[in-house]
Amino acid sequence: KNEVEQSPQNLTAQEGEFITINCSYSVGISALHWLQQHPGGGIVSLFMLSSGKKKHGRLIATINIQEKHSSLHITASHPRDSAVYICAVPNYGGSQGNLIFGKGTKLSVKP
Amino acid sequence: GAGVSQTPSNKVTEKGKYVELRCDPISGHTALYWYRQSLGQGPEFLIYFQGTGAADDSGLPNDRFFAVRPEGSVSTLKIQRTERGDSAVYLCASSLEGRDRVHFGPGTRLTVL
Repeated sequence: KNEVEQSPQNLTAQEGEFITINCSYSVGISALHWLQQHPGGGIVSLFMLSSGKKKHGRLIATINIQEKHSSLHITASHPRDSAVYICAVPNYGGSQGNLIFGKGTKLSVKP
Repeated sequence: GAGVSQTPSNKVTEKGKYVELRCDPISGHTALYWYRQSLGQGPEFLIYFQGTGAADDSGLPNDRFFAVRPEGSVSTLKIQRTERGDSAVYLCASSLEGRDRVHFGPGTRLTVL
C-alpha cells in the first residue's frame, strides 16, 4: 500500500505570504493529485501531475519522481485560499482511481 | 458545463435500513469513482468504474456495499443493513478516461441513527 505524508498539518499565514505544502509518498507512481477542500464544501482538483512543474494562476505544483516528493506553492496568498489541501496518489497495485489520500494541510490565511 | 451531481445531498436513516445514493457524472466521462469521507478524515477509495464495469472494487468495506453503473453513465451506490459506522460523506467523482483530472461531486452526507 502506498503511504502518503503531508506537512505541515496546519498552517497559518498572513495575506501576501508565500505558502509551501509538502507531500511525500512511499511507492513510485504515475501521477499525483493536489486537491482543495473548503470547509463544508466539495473537493476541487487543482493539479494532476506526473513530472516537473505545473502552474495555474497563483498556484504552482512540482513533483520529484526520484525523491517521491511533491510540493504545492501558493504565491501572494489571500484569505480565500483558506482551505484544506490534500495530495493523493494511486494505491500500489490498484487502479488509477484507487487513490490514497493524505490527511490534508489546513491552511488559514489571515487578512 | 454541468459538473458531477449527487442526490440526495443529505440522507438520514435508521440502523438496519437500506439506502441508495446516486451519482450523475460529467457527460462523456467514462471513469467514475466512489469515495467516502468520515468526519475529520481524508477520503477513502470505495470503487472505480470504467464504463459499465467495476474495474476496481477493492475499497468496498464488506458485502453490504454494492454499486452499479448499468449504462455507463449514472451510478448508484447501495448500502444494505446500514450501521452507525457507515455515517460519512459519500463522494462521487468522474474523469474523462481514468487518466485525467478527477472532478468531484458535492457529496451525499449519510447519517445512520
